[in-house]
Amino acid sequence: TQLLEQSPQFLSIQEGENLTVYCNSSSVFSSLQWYRQEPGEGPVLLVTVVTGGEVKKLKRLTFQFGDARKDSSLHITAAQPGDTGLYLCAGEMILSSSNTGKLIFGQGTTLQVKP
Amino acid sequence: DAGVTQSPTHLIKTRGQQVTLRCSPKSGHDTVSWYQQALGQGPQFIFQYYEEEERQRGNFPDRFSGHQFPNYSSELNVNALLLGDSALYLCASSPGTGHPYEQYFGPGTRLTVT
Repeated sequence: TQLLEQSPQFLSIQEGENLTVYCNSSSVFSSLQWYRQEPGEGPVLLVTVVTGGEVKKLKRLTFQFGDARKDSSLHITAAQPGDTGLYLCAGEMILSSSNTGKLIFGQGTTLQVKP
Repeated sequence: DAGVTQSPTHLIKTRGQQVTLRCSPKSGHDTVSWYQQALGQGPQFIFQYYEEEERQRGNFPDRFSGHQFPNYSSELNVNALLLGDSALYLCASSPGTGHPYEQYFGPGTRLTVT
């Protein structure tokens, strides 16, 4: 059972188009993190959203955390070829036995932006 | 400031063999987590080490074991390798406590089992 469902799994668009990637769950997370991964490299943290309804912007990328902290979205405006990569959302689940958590990853969205 | 480093970069093993992967965390981090990532998929949590002990574990068999050293570096051991163990193995480090729990990943070790 996939705790975090990402959609779409694959996306191929032309340079300049807008796109939205969704990350949905029936579980509540204490935070939601978005990573970007390029071939042969490890995931790189883009942003962390913590509060329900929170919106964060990173240049042309806009991240939103759902009010109930169960879902999140990533919107890219005017996509560029350099945005190509695997986008991963990860939900943080706090361990009751310690003041830390673990990350549950979605299956990822492979984005290809054509020039 | 060195980030997370992993070795080796690539590894080819035969079914039934054993493998050890190594990770050095980012400076100032004392917690190391290991993930397995199949091609085009999200990472799957294997286990996490803190203060030289396994703090939590994902849904992986006992063939997967680990260790953390006093300098916070860590090893992932896999015994009796199966073809299905072929994947990118990622190490991530983080501060031991605190919220949100942000992790910083190394470049990974690509393991191929033939």
